[in-house]
Amino acid sequence: AQSVTQPDIHITVSEGASLELRCNYSYGATPYLFWYVQSPGQGLQLLLKYFSGDTLVQGIKGFEAEFKRSQSSFNLKKPSVHWSDAAEYFCASRGSGAGSYQLTFGKGTKLSVIP
Amino acid sequence: NAGVTQTPKFQVLKTGQSMTLQCAQDMNHEYMSWYRQDPGMGLRLIHYSVGAGITDQGEVPNGYNVSRSTTEDFPLRLLSAAPSQTSVYFCASSLKLAGTGELFFGEGSRLTVL
Repeated sequence: AQSVTQPDIHITVSEGASLELRCNYSYGATPYLFWYVQSPGQGLQLLLKYFSGDTLVQGIKGFEAEFKRSQSSFNLKKPSVHWSDAAEYFCASRGSGAGSYQLTFGKGTKLSVIP
Repeated sequence: NAGVTQTPKFQVLKTGQSMTLQCAQDMNHEYMSWYRQDPGMGLRLIHYSVGAGITDQGEVPNGYNVSRSTTEDFPLRLLSAAPSQTSVYFCASSLKLAGTGELFFGEGSRLTVL
């Protein structure tokens, strides 16, 4: 069965500092990988996704993520955090085999930004 | 640009009461699903559907029923609510059945069972 681990429950950074949120997946082959963001009281919004090819993928709001097969990781990065980035971030995976419908989510990392 | 619409946004029930959370999407998506979100647990899949007339169980299906009579609608029924079902529920849909399709989420329905 697939699993997604986000080791950090809560991270606090200063505005303008760089950010890296960790995500590790467990799957036999390379899964499809996603990062979502959830602002308070809102639903989830897709930031970016990885299917194949280049290991660095660009997303919305200045976010990017790096896929590392050797580490089974898909970490989310941003060079300079803005106060509006405070939210909860979820990493998710879906198997690449036929009939793989379900999206498996990590437990999330809450990001706080100090002005 | 309605996307995925959930109603109601808030609901308080007493133990043993029944209710239906409504979900509708106007994007002609084949795949629809229900998740519940609890603090520290992330999102857990309750039920999903890959098309009208086809539903299947997810990770935490007990206590919930679903049906998919149309492409647009995917209601979630609680037949006898329990305090353990206090949660925030999200409906999500996807154009593609599998693989690269991203999920589009509704804004959530916050349910409290007393």
